[in-house]
Amino acid sequence: EAEVAQSPRYKITEKSQAVAFWCDPISGHATLYWYRQILGQGPELLVQFQDESVVDDSQLPKDRFSAERLKGVDSTLKIQPAELGDSAMYLCASSLSGLLEETQYFGPGTRLLVL
Amino acid sequence: DQQVKQNSPSLSVQEGRISILNCDYTNSMFDYFLWYKKYPAEGPTFLISISSIKDKNEDGRFTVFLNKSAKHLSLHIVPSQPGDSAVYFCAARGGNTPLVFGKGTRLSVIA
Repeated sequence: EAEVAQSPRYKITEKSQAVAFWCDPISGHATLYWYRQILGQGPELLVQFQDESVVDDSQLPKDRFSAERLKGVDSTLKIQPAELGDSAMYLCASSLSGLLEETQYFGPGTRLLVL
Repeated sequence: DQQVKQNSPSLSVQEGRISILNCDYTNSMFDYFLWYKKYPAEGPTFLISISSIKDKNEDGRFTVFLNKSAKHLSLHIVPSQPGDSAVYFCAARGGNTPLVFGKGTRLSVIA
């Protein structure tokens, strides 16, 4: 069964350092999402890609976060510099074409701890 | 302001009984609703969905009910099994809005 892949699964870093997360969506899925889930909360959308283009990054803290999907396949989310409040689970999801009633499939996530 | 609310942080049910998880929403633009299940250290897994043109959708042991006038939906699991123990997230979207999640309800099914 096709799955969304993410790496690393866990990351511990010190504040002010740079971190990067990688996501490989299900093959053929044009739409890719990055979510952040803080402990005790539901996932919140950070950025949505349609192929290689950003279609929604309104909740992405652009002073420190960046995301790219250069070839419209896999994607990288970067934080520089990391802050204590960035400790969270970072989830990647994909869907076929981003239509309203399409299911988003999630990867296992990257748990980030900033010390 | 939370647009999707799951007011019960946790729920305990005996094996074999019915589990009912509730969700309320405030945005009248929402017209597609989903339930996801999440085990520790894993990503959310899609469970069941419902469009606003329906008031019920059933898939095996799982049934979702939608009451648009009350802006309320619920997930029924019958019969509940120990493997159903997880955190359940209600999510909604509509128009150009992204998927909005509730805070989740932790279900514990006791054998």
